[in-house]
Amino acid sequence: GAGVSQSPSNKVTEKGKDVELRCDPISGHTALYWYRQSLGQGLEFLIYFQGNSAPDKSGLPSDRFSAERTGGSVSTLTIQRTQQEDSAVYLCASSLLRGGGKTQYFGPGTRLLVL
Amino acid sequence: TQLLEQSPQFLSIQEGENLTVYCNSSSVFSSLQWYRQEPGEGPVLLVTVVTGGEVKKLKRLTFQFGDARKDSSLHITAAQPGDTGLYLCAGAPIQGAQKLVFGQGTRLTINP
Repeated sequence: GAGVSQSPSNKVTEKGKDVELRCDPISGHTALYWYRQSLGQGLEFLIYFQGNSAPDKSGLPSDRFSAERTGGSVSTLTIQRTQQEDSAVYLCASSLLRGGGKTQYFGPGTRLLVL
Repeated sequence: TQLLEQSPQFLSIQEGENLTVYCNSSSVFSSLQWYRQEPGEGPVLLVTVVTGGEVKKLKRLTFQFGDARKDSSLHITAAQPGDTGLYLCAGAPIQGAQKLVFGQGTRLTINP
């Protein structure tokens, strides 16, 4: 497919479990972003990858959250010891060029529910 | 911390009416974007405004960037049920422009 894909589309887990969320960006896009969206709300920036540069992790809410991007393509967001407040939609976006003024293409998101 | 305040948060109007959504901040942005998001999908970019005072039109949608680049508005003329969705504004800060700052969104419902 030509767009950003994310998996799983839905994830239900128990409090205290670890989860991994996957993002496949658009081929050739050098920038990749993770956001969190609470029910019907705006997006909260989590982390940003650009090429081979060190990622900007300034939006990660706690050290339970981490992300990596292998080979400059696929990215995985990991949440350890999940808490109920982690329940949200996790959105991934990619863009061809760096900079917030450049178009970010979003995936459909992963809906995470922590029981 | 830069914030974008969107208003109203919820709006339900009848088909054919006009509406305006506002996005305000005390901070200056290098550019501002408007997205529309439908249930179960990610946001889709509608427009980017870059220059203070800039006005862009997309069919029945008119977007304006404030002269000071601190605020923006989205005006919809003769709203249609297909306009229903969550509208999000997002600003690119002067510093660290790769981290968009999003408003909390306006949930718009157009009733037939």
